[in-house]
Amino acid sequence: NAGVMQNPRHLVRRRGQEARLRCSPVKGHSHVYWYRQLPEEGLKFMVYLQKENIIDESGMPKERFSAEFPKEGPSILRIQQVVRGDSAAYFCASSPPPLSRGYLSSGGYTFGSGTRLTVV
Amino acid sequence: KQEVTQIPAALSVPEGENLVLNCSFTDSAIYNLQWFRQDPGKGLTSLLLIQSSQREQTSGRLNASLDKSSGRSTLYIAASQPGDSATYLCAVPNTGGFKTIFGAGTRLFVKA
Repeated sequence: NAGVMQNPRHLVRRRGQEARLRCSPVKGHSHVYWYRQLPEEGLKFMVYLQKENIIDESGMPKERFSAEFPKEGPSILRIQQVVRGDSAAYFCASSPPPLSRGYLSSGGYTFGSGTRLTVV
Repeated sequence: KQEVTQIPAALSVPEGENLVLNCSFTDSAIYNLQWFRQDPGKGLTSLLLIQSSQREQTSGRLNASLDKSSGRSTLYIAASQPGDSATYLCAVPNTGGFKTIFGAGTRLFVKA
């Protein structure tokens, strides 16, 4: 069980380029969450996805950001036309299906090591 | 709206001390609470998950307690070691939703 795998670990993009961040959940987990951590700040929720469905994207900026979790393959967080303010660590977590809203099963969340995006 | 506060923001102690990290949350209607550890430049490692029906959880030198009615949780670290130096994060599910709300963390430094 390799845990949550995120790649790349570090990503440098020039302003205006696109950034693609990938997340492979724990084997058997069908629920993926993306969080952003700005320098010296806490983790902020961005989006929650199940396979082929976006369940909650209330933390995603309305423009330039999108996320998907296809039937096959990893979850992708895409940031178009990056700006310096997008520089942050982006973490992905996965979990077994929640038993109900807000009620994680005993496994809780497993986090990846993150992708550190630097926009120059 | 759920808000999570962690006190203190930073803590420096000599090796061997027992210490307590505090977490408070505004909406007590939670189903669980999770404590994480984050090393500089690294991801999050889950330490303990407490379900609402539990009062505490223990793992090695770590003990986490939960008092839902008062909206508080504490993480107790016994006989601290330099390897315990990290940021400790408390997290609870947002009421009625799927997102998890994190505290800003307590940065712990244990001096050898």
